Amino acid sequence: DAKTTQPPSMDCAEGRAANLPCNHSTISGNEYVYWYRQIHSQGPQYIIHGLKNNETNEMASLIITEDRKSSTLILPHATLRDTAVYYCIVRVAYGQNFVFGPGTRLSVLP
Amino acid sequence: AAGVIQSPRHLIKEKRETATLKCYPIPRHDTVYWYQQGPGQDPQFLISFYEKMQSDKGSIPDRFSAQQFSDYHSELNMSSLELGDSALYFCASSLTPGQGAKNEQFFGPGTRLTVL
Repeated sequence: DAKTTQPPSMDCAEGRAANLPCNHSTISGNEYVYWYRQIHSQGPQYIIHGLKNNETNEMASLIITEDRKSSTLILPHATLRDTAVYYCIVRVAYGQNFVFGPGTRLSVLP
Repeated sequence: AAGVIQSPRHLIKEKRETATLKCYPIPRHDTVYWYQQGPGQDPQFLISFYEKMQSDKGSIPDRFSAQQFSDYHSELNMSSLELGDSALYFCASSLTPGQGAKNEQFFGPGTRLTVL
């Protein structure tokens, strides 16, 4: 699997948009970009995933660059409950396990 | 909506004892994954099962074994427990693609194992 690189930590003011970057410069053409988060020792929670088009759901938006070498997860209006470790993961096929890297520890500040 | 169920939620064992963790996937999910998360670490993949057959294997110690049963629930058996086995153990389940699946894994709340 391709490796990802994320900043170790970020702060965001409550109510503002949180933009979490991820570099995956060695991603293969058939690999998806997944985002998960883990809130204080709870089970990781699926947020969103995409292949090459931008995606949006009720939780977040995912912006993938045209060359697919990087992406940005956007939480449009961060709340204190969004404080968590956010993992960007690339994966090629169904059935493969997820490889959780260091992730970004997002702190939403009041 | 139904989620992944894990039991027990907390377990305390002595060194060299055995432990069995159980996982009940979301209804209709046919694939189960086990992850281990040590203190201050990221989740690490242990093993997975699809349709009751082992489908992938990660960094699972030889002292550990797992299986998936006919009702798709899974059990992780851990023997000769060591202090270093103290961790959170997560189970995740997913649905076979082609059935409206997005290929994401749904994680349970975890079992916290403490080895004394």
